Amino acid sequence: SQTIHQWPATLVQPVGSPLSLECTVEGTSNPNLYWYRQAAGRGLQLLFYSVGIGQISSEVPQNLSASRPQDRQFILSSKKLLLSDSGFYLCAWSINRDLGYTFGSGTRLTVV
Amino acid sequence: DQQVKQNSPSLSVQEGRISILNCDYTNSMFDYFLWYKKYPAEGPTFLISISSIKDKNEDGRFTVFLNKSAKHLSLHIVPSQPGDSAVYFCAASGGNAGNMLTFGGGTRLMVKP
Repeated sequence: SQTIHQWPATLVQPVGSPLSLECTVEGTSNPNLYWYRQAAGRGLQLLFYSVGIGQISSEVPQNLSASRPQDRQFILSSKKLLLSDSGFYLCAWSINRDLGYTFGSGTRLTVV
Repeated sequence: DQQVKQNSPSLSVQEGRISILNCDYTNSMFDYFLWYKKYPAEGPTFLISISSIKDKNEDGRFTVFLNKSAKHLSLHIVPSQPGDSAVYFCAASGGNAGNMLTFGGGTRLMVKP
């Protein structure tokens, strides 16, 4: 069966520090991968998506970047965090639209 | 431009009664719709979906209705239970977006015992 792992679950980082959040998928090949952010009291904002290794599309220009070094690995990064980067970050994968997206358990990032 | 909108940010319902969550969309090319449920500090989980060739899909206590002419879908939960208290997101795909899902802003449902 397919599973998605996302870590860490919580993270407190100072302003200006770097960030690396990792997401891995098991049990499937060549999935579409997504990074979403949910700010406090807000909806789901698509940040990045990837249809294959090294292929990254950015939906919103901001202080973050994403990389897909392997088929089932998706990394969200920042060189210097801002206070506004605080939020709940979610990774998701999909194969076909009938199955929709499967989300990871999320990372609560607090930038202080 | 929000292509999928959930105009009610919150909804409060008594246990045992019906919960109706609404969602509107603007893109007539959307042809597949899903509802997700999200608890705090967890990822959203898939609840139910409907294709545009149908106007109703039922799964236990959950029923989704689709009105294509009005570009409107709704999720009915009957009977509502306290464990249903969560944020519900509707999502749509199709047309130029392909498999990509466009999410609404979510509705927080509170079911009171």
